[in-house]
Amino acid sequence: EVQLLESGGGLVQPGGSLRLSCAASGFMFSNFAMGWVRQAPGKGLEWVSGISVTGGSTYYADSVKGRFTMSRDNSKNTVFLHMNSLRAEDTAVYYCGKSDWNNRYFDLWGRGTLVTVSS
Amino acid sequence: EIELTQSPGTLSLSPGERATLSCRASQTVSSIFLAWYQQKPGQAPRLLIYGTYSRATGIPDRFSGSGSGTDFTLTISRLEPEDFGVYYCQQSDTSLFTFGPGTKVEIK
Repeated sequence: EVQLLESGGGLVQPGGSLRLSCAASGFMFSNFAMGWVRQAPGKGLEWVSGISVTGGSTYYADSVKGRFTMSRDNSKNTVFLHMNSLRAEDTAVYYCGKSDWNNRYFDLWGRGTLVTVSS
Repeated sequence: EIELTQSPGTLSLSPGERATLSCRASQTVSSIFLAWYQQKPGQAPRLLIYGTYSRATGIPDRFSGSGSGTDFTLTISRLEPEDFGVYYCQQSDTSLFTFGPGTKVEIK
């Protein structure tokens, strides 16, 4: 089955760190760029980061640049989002997305994992 | 960075009616970089339209996309009960993606 499965969310204190994982299955993972999109409670979608097929290029929204790092392990069909210096405004459901061949849109989404930043 | 605005914020319609959703970009977007998603409560977004005009796999033909430059439109020709939800446009420019704020389509 073609799917993405996120994990690693939870409750963390402001200033803390968390690592999210997204395990892919059912498609040739190493052929596609990937991304993370988040959604704060009751709010819209916000693109967070993207990574190229080899992992050699990464891209970030200004709101997370310098605090979040995206990586991938093609041998394990997994992407990661390392989140440092977390703030209350980072509280959201984090979705993993698979890009199309040309990295223009997300044609497959995971179910999301909730990150709550609170003391 | 290209910003997207969507209108209206909320669209109240009855099943069988036509829905017209607008997405406007702060600068010109190539048509190949514009996509639309549908999201229902508690669910992940689902790709509807990519490249402005093309329907994603399994999307019924009552959904259509159009537009160019800075103005893009998603049209649902005859609303079905399962079409109610929030719709987002998205653009990709130099591998940086942005989403519009969304249009909620609700039952009148």
